[in-house]
Amino acid sequence: EPEVTQTPSHQVTQMGQEVILRCVPISNHLYFYWYRQILGQKVEFLVSFYNNEISEKSEIFDDQFSVERPDGSNFTLKIRSTKLEDSAMYFCASRQGRANEQFFGPGTRLTVL
Amino acid sequence: SQQGEEDPQALSIQEGENATMNCSYKTSINNLQWYRQNSGRGLVHLILIRSNEREKHSGRLRVTLDTSKKSSSLLITASRAADTASYFCATDERDDKIIFGKGTRLHILP
Repeated sequence: EPEVTQTPSHQVTQMGQEVILRCVPISNHLYFYWYRQILGQKVEFLVSFYNNEISEKSEIFDDQFSVERPDGSNFTLKIRSTKLEDSAMYFCASRQGRANEQFFGPGTRLTVL
Repeated sequence: SQQGEEDPQALSIQEGENATMNCSYKTSINNLQWYRQNSGRGLVHLILIRSNEREKHSGRLRVTLDTSKKSSSLLITASRAADTASYFCATDERDDKIIFGKGTRLHILP
């Protein structure tokens, strides 16, 4: 069964460093998302992406964040200068159409020291 | 913005019993989804129910939706140890982003 994959599973970085989190959405899906979950808290929406552009972004998704679909399969989230409060589990999700289920990847645990 | 709120926050039942979790939300939705998350792991999609549906089944799962009360329930029948997890409802208002609730932590006792 097709699934969303994410790499790495765990990323440790120093405050101020840039990180890139990678996702491979399900191949025939057209809508892509990033969410995050700070430990012990609920899952929060960051950004949605369709047709090679951002559809919507939350207040969390400030100028330090960017997304890119560099080729036909990958979908990346970049954090330019990480802060301690960026430590969280980051989930990528994709869906085939706007009214369909969103399928989530296993997540990347980002730890900022 | 709207959000789903699950009730109860935590639930412990004996293996073999049925588990019922509820979700309430605030505004009109197009659909509602339930997800499971094992501790520290990813989100597994369980079921999607559309606003024009009232009940949906998938294996041991039964989901109901009452749009007049803005609420949904997830029933897991004949619970198993492997059902121990957190369960989240997620509402989809405009068929784009989904908004998660805080979840119900379900613990199945042997």
